Amino acid sequence: GAVVSQHPSWVICKSGTSVKIECRSLDFQATTMFWYRQFPKQSLMLMATSNEGSKATYEQGVEKDKFLINHASLTLSTLTVTSAHPEDSSFYICSALFRGLSMNTEAFFGQGTRLTVV
Amino acid sequence: GESVGLHLPTLSVQEGDNSIINCAYSNSASDYFIWYKQESGKGPQFIIDIRSNMDKRQGQRVTVLLNKTVKHLSLQIAATQPGDSAVYFCADDTSYGKLTFGQGTILTVHP
Repeated sequence: GAVVSQHPSWVICKSGTSVKIECRSLDFQATTMFWYRQFPKQSLMLMATSNEGSKATYEQGVEKDKFLINHASLTLSTLTVTSAHPEDSSFYICSALFRGLSMNTEAFFGQGTRLTVV
Repeated sequence: GESVGLHLPTLSVQEGDNSIINCAYSNSASDYFIWYKQESGKGPQFIIDIRSNMDKRQGQRVTVLLNKTVKHLSLQIAATQPGDSAVYFCADDTSYGKLTFGQGTILTVHP
């Protein structure tokens, strides 16, 4: 399967600072990527859809000014958590959409980024 | 269905037993479903998928059943092994890779 890499795997930051998480599709181009958040012992919740060359589409209740998404190339989307607070501590996971020759699509997931805000 | 602030149910089985994990969905228009396995600290890993024009699909040691009448999915794992211990999620692909995840189930396999 296709490979999606997130960086960093984990990060600890001070309250009030900003943190950038990268999501890269290593062996395919992805015009669409997705960002999810997962709190401990809970399911994944979609935060936003990242589209290459255009603005991200945010899910209801997700603050776009707090979670900045940039999809500047066909292989990279970034999520920046601005002015992070302890309640932003979570597991952030991206997926990248692979489009096959027969127009089938499949989402491949990164390994996730554990953010801890202290 | 969607998970909002709920803690995950658990299933404990003995090695070698068959496991059945269930999932309900709410959107009757949904037509593509995927089961994922998530190990601790990792991203979801694709297991098997099924489209709404089917009611059963089999993979290696796994079978997915879809009952559209009651909007229910199940994942059956045959001869469960300790390496199968993980959290299992069903997901509804609502639009080209945009996934709505179900609640999830923690599977623990005892040797």
